[in-house]
Amino acid sequence: GQNIDQPTEMTATEGAIVQINCTYQTSGFNGLFWYQQHAGEAPTFLSYNVLDGLEEKGRFSSFLSRSKGYSYLLLKELQMKDSASYLCAVTDSNYQLIWGAGTKLIIKP
Amino acid sequence: GAVVSQHPSRVICKSGTSVKIECRSLDFQATTMFWYRQFPKQSLMLMATSNEGSKATYEQGVEKDKFLINHASLTLSTLTVTSAHPEDSSFYICSARGTGDHEQYFGPGTRLTVT
Repeated sequence: GQNIDQPTEMTATEGAIVQINCTYQTSGFNGLFWYQQHAGEAPTFLSYNVLDGLEEKGRFSSFLSRSKGYSYLLLKELQMKDSASYLCAVTDSNYQLIWGAGTKLIIKP
Repeated sequence: GAVVSQHPSRVICKSGTSVKIECRSLDFQATTMFWYRQFPKQSLMLMATSNEGSKATYEQGVEKDKFLINHASLTLSTLTVTSAHPEDSSFYICSARGTGDHEQYFGPGTRLTVT
């Protein structure tokens, strides 16, 4: 079967750095997405990785290792507004998005 | 660019009635649209995928006669929840993808409450 694993919840301090991991087993791979979702709102796009390596975009970076079926989202200089759920999703061989359950990130002052 | 709108944002209806939710891509042509449902504190659940001009493909366990999807144009898809029941109360989110695009652009969601 297809499976995406990520931690259910993480807590971090304002101004610090946090890394949210995601591992996947899917039938084929055509890219990995990270989305941010605030409570009661739709997801918003953060990053897309299809090749191995690190993609940096401001305070957020995303890393991919296809051989290990592994990705992480790195958030630097955490702000209170970063409190949200972070969803990892993989596009499989049929270009279907397979979603993880999301990681709820709690930022404390 | 790549803006997707949904209407209405919130709707309350009585049990047994039908509700239509619209999803529009405002500045691009959406060859594929997706409908998701999300219950509180749970992840997105894909209900169906629709390609413009063809019948929607429903995920296992989703009743196609209850959740009617129409994708009649490259900028509009509608989801009609027929004979709604309280257990259909949820957050319904659409997303759209253009030809050759890898990203799905999400609408703001519609919160449906069935009383």
